[in-house]
Amino acid sequence: IAGITQAPTSQILAAGRRMTLRCTQDMRHNAMYWYRQDLGLGLRLIHYSNTAGTTGKGEVPDGYSVSRANTDDFPLTLASAVPSQTSVYFCASSGADNNEQFFGPGTRLTVL
Amino acid sequence: ILNVEQSPQSLHVQEGDSTNFTCSFPSSNFYALHWYRWETAKSPEALFVMTLNGDEKKKGRISATLNTKEGYSYLYIKGSQPEDSATYLCASDTGGFKTIFGAGTRLFVKA
Repeated sequence: IAGITQAPTSQILAAGRRMTLRCTQDMRHNAMYWYRQDLGLGLRLIHYSNTAGTTGKGEVPDGYSVSRANTDDFPLTLASAVPSQTSVYFCASSGADNNEQFFGPGTRLTVL
Repeated sequence: ILNVEQSPQSLHVQEGDSTNFTCSFPSSNFYALHWYRWETAKSPEALFVMTLNGDEKKKGRISATLNTKEGYSYLYIKGSQPEDSATYLCASDTGGFKTIFGAGTRLFVKA
């Protein structure tokens, strides 16, 4: 692994289904983030984690949950997907609070 | 929740033109201002992180300035090239790991 990876690349999901988006980084960054990107709205923060074992809510957390069991992994779970969660999801990490964020390639999710 | 505004929303220029965009952000509780470059079908990549009022950063033909007292930052591109075509995002940190992004300025450079 080099940098930050996300899986799956894309997914079509029926409404009501549970889905976990995976994110892994190998840079030993303490902070990790999940964003959704919607046309005209830019990137909106869903959840973040400043270190393993701790998480926090961002701007649009409803309908999503995260966990941070270790430094490398930061999965995002949709417990019961709804069509409004159709979006492109980006995971990112940073080495410190005001350092630059490194972004994964994104996951395109469609909820029907 | 902060409100980070970017203008213009999109910009079309000819190769060789110089251009600039604006990012405005609430000046209270300021911690850091980030600029990212986002090419189509790729991920955002960091250009600059600025923290001090009056900061100026430069990378090749791209430079940025920061005014934390009035809450704005300018990004300048000198002699635009077609490969500069991308969306340029700014993001404001108030600390606490919460970063608020603007909607971006989409730059199109025609050869």
